[in-house]
Amino acid sequence: GQQVMQIPQYQHVQEGEDFTTYCNSSTTLSNIQWYKQRPGGHPVFLIQLVKSGEVKKQKRLTFQFGEAKKNSSLHITATQTTDVGTYFCAGPSYNFNKFYFGSGTKLNVKP
Amino acid sequence: DTAVSQTPKYLVTQMGNDKSIKCEQNLGHDTMYWYKQDSKKFLKIMFSYNNKELIINETVPNRFSPKSPDKAHLNLHINSLELGDSAVYFCASSPAASGTYNEQFFGPGTRLTVL
Repeated sequence: GQQVMQIPQYQHVQEGEDFTTYCNSSTTLSNIQWYKQRPGGHPVFLIQLVKSGEVKKQKRLTFQFGEAKKNSSLHITATQTTDVGTYFCAGPSYNFNKFYFGSGTKLNVKP
Repeated sequence: DTAVSQTPKYLVTQMGNDKSIKCEQNLGHDTMYWYKQDSKKFLKIMFSYNNKELIINETVPNRFSPKSPDKAHLNLHINSLELGDSAVYFCASSPAASGTYNEQFFGPGTRLTVL
């Protein structure tokens, strides 16, 4: 089964609203990466977090890695239509012997 | 210049055929990967490879085999294609050593349809 789940699966927001996707792993991860895939496109790397409890910001995007290194979140403030796409978390297991992609959250932004 | 390129972009073939997908990266990266994205958009790693080590996801059928003529290329060969192989296949590369799984750069994908 899917080792790394994301919720929600889909999110429809009005432009200007905030958006959050949550990533939960059944196993401890060594690091957490976030990727964005536009419709019809390929995954594009956004950021990597390594430390327990780490928080990083990229303009309107805030990324957090949980204390137990088993969960993460991505928060977008004041969404724009350019934010449309599927957001994936990903990461290697703690001993690096496996690599997982999350199930993805598809974001749609209505203008 | 395209960093990670794949050919073909689309591939339609019959069950039982053998096919290859080519991947090239001009980033000078040491490690390359193959991923499968199914119709539900789930992404699964198939292989991680550098010139020293091949790491295979144990769920990948042995009909799939990566072939690397040099550091910049990692091709995916598939024998005896099955309907369930229909998916989008992504190649990726990373500056990290094989097995460390850091930032990855993805190719545009190859949509494989098996009839």
